[in-house]
Amino acid sequence: GQNIDQPTEMTATEGAIVQINCTYQTSGFNGLFWYQQHAGEAPTFLSYNVLDGLEEKGRFSSFLSRSKGYSYLLLKELQMKDSASYLCAVPFTGGGNKLTFGTGTQLKVEL
Amino acid sequence: KAGVTQTPRYLIKTRGQQVTLSCSPISGHRSVSWYQQTPGQGLQFLFEYFSETQRNKGNFPGRFSGRQFSNSRSEMNVSTLELGDSALYLCASTPGGYTEAFFGQGTRLTVV
Repeated sequence: GQNIDQPTEMTATEGAIVQINCTYQTSGFNGLFWYQQHAGEAPTFLSYNVLDGLEEKGRFSSFLSRSKGYSYLLLKELQMKDSASYLCAVPFTGGGNKLTFGTGTQLKVEL
Repeated sequence: KAGVTQTPRYLIKTRGQQVTLSCSPISGHRSVSWYQQTPGQGLQFLFEYFSETQRNKGNFPGRFSGRQFSNSRSEMNVSTLELGDSALYLCASTPGGYTEAFFGQGTRLTVV
């Protein structure tokens, strides 16, 4: 089976840096996705990590450690528009495009 | 390139009724997946269709069903609606392989 854990809520200050953690237990592994979802909107893709290490994409970076079953999303220079839910997801290893999602981390950015 | 289109956006139904939701994937995408999103359970996988065949299925009762047409458009049906079926139903299309899924805006279903 697949199990994913993320913190439920986080609060950070505009301009700061925040790290959102995700731990997973899976039978097999084919990478890990991060999605962003604003209230009332569709989830949008942020990153996909399949190898260990840090991948940077503008203000957002994502890290993966396969040996530890651990990933994090790093958001720098926080802006109010970054207030959203951040979802960690792993694909099913039995073929196809089934994703198992964590419950999401609701990030609130304050002034 | 048009995104994933889901219709209708909002729906109110009565317990015991049935409902059909529609999803048009991005042109060229052959895989369509459906998810249920609720505040308590988060995003949960319902099923995936690829080339008109169900390729994966989640842990939902048989009241939830779906199909895919030759043009890759997909529908999902929920019969004998229950209050607990109230949720945001999201459709996602994928070109293939372990690549990003593109989500539609969802259909907000309210069962009263």
